[in-house]
Amino acid sequence: AQRVTQPEKLLSVFKGAPVELKCNYSYSGSPELFWYVQYSRQRLQLLLRHISRESIKGFTADLNKGETSFHLKKPFAQEEDSAMYYCALTGSSNTGKLIFGQGTTLQVKP
Amino acid sequence: DTAVSQTPKYLVTQMGNDKSIKCEQNLGHDTMYWYKQDSKKFLKIMFSYNNKELIINETVPNRFSPKSPDKAHLNLHINSLELGDSAVYFCASSQTTPGHFSYEQYFGPGTRLTVT
Repeated sequence: AQRVTQPEKLLSVFKGAPVELKCNYSYSGSPELFWYVQYSRQRLQLLLRHISRESIKGFTADLNKGETSFHLKKPFAQEEDSAMYYCALTGSSNTGKLIFGQGTTLQVKP
Repeated sequence: DTAVSQTPKYLVTQMGNDKSIKCEQNLGHDTMYWYKQDSKKFLKIMFSYNNKELIINETVPNRFSPKSPDKAHLNLHINSLELGDSAVYFCASSQTTPGHFSYEQYFGPGTRLTVT
């Protein structure tokens, strides 16, 4: 079964500390993975996708097929990074279906 | 304002009632979605429509019926509301390219439904 697991419900770090939001998935085939973010009082929005191999707002995520992981990392957290982060996986059929993890709240303390 | 909008923002109702949530997007997208976010913040797809055609229909009780009058609107009607229907419902939209659905989805602000 396709599934996304984010083991941490809450991750609290101090400003300037490194951040790693964990995401593990189960999928048979070649998945596409994404990170979505929801800042306070804002809408859920796409942060980055693994096929782009880009860095957005200092965040990067590498797909590790051996470990079936797609962890989101940032070397130095900023207070404005505080938000809810969702890891998501495409469904097996080409329907636009996204399977979301449970979400991790990142809290960056001053 | 270019966006995905939902009405109402909050909905409080009693068990057994029938209610609707409306969604509109002016992004020119051709695919729209309904998601349910439960009390644990778990976000799950319910339905999607592409050009008014039902594409995704997850295991959702028959009490939930989506309706897409045109590609800019996707409404969600819920019959005989139950306590377990209390959640935040999100609408989203995306644009397909030939033969490919986009996974960059634009979300609405959500509708918080409380069933008492």
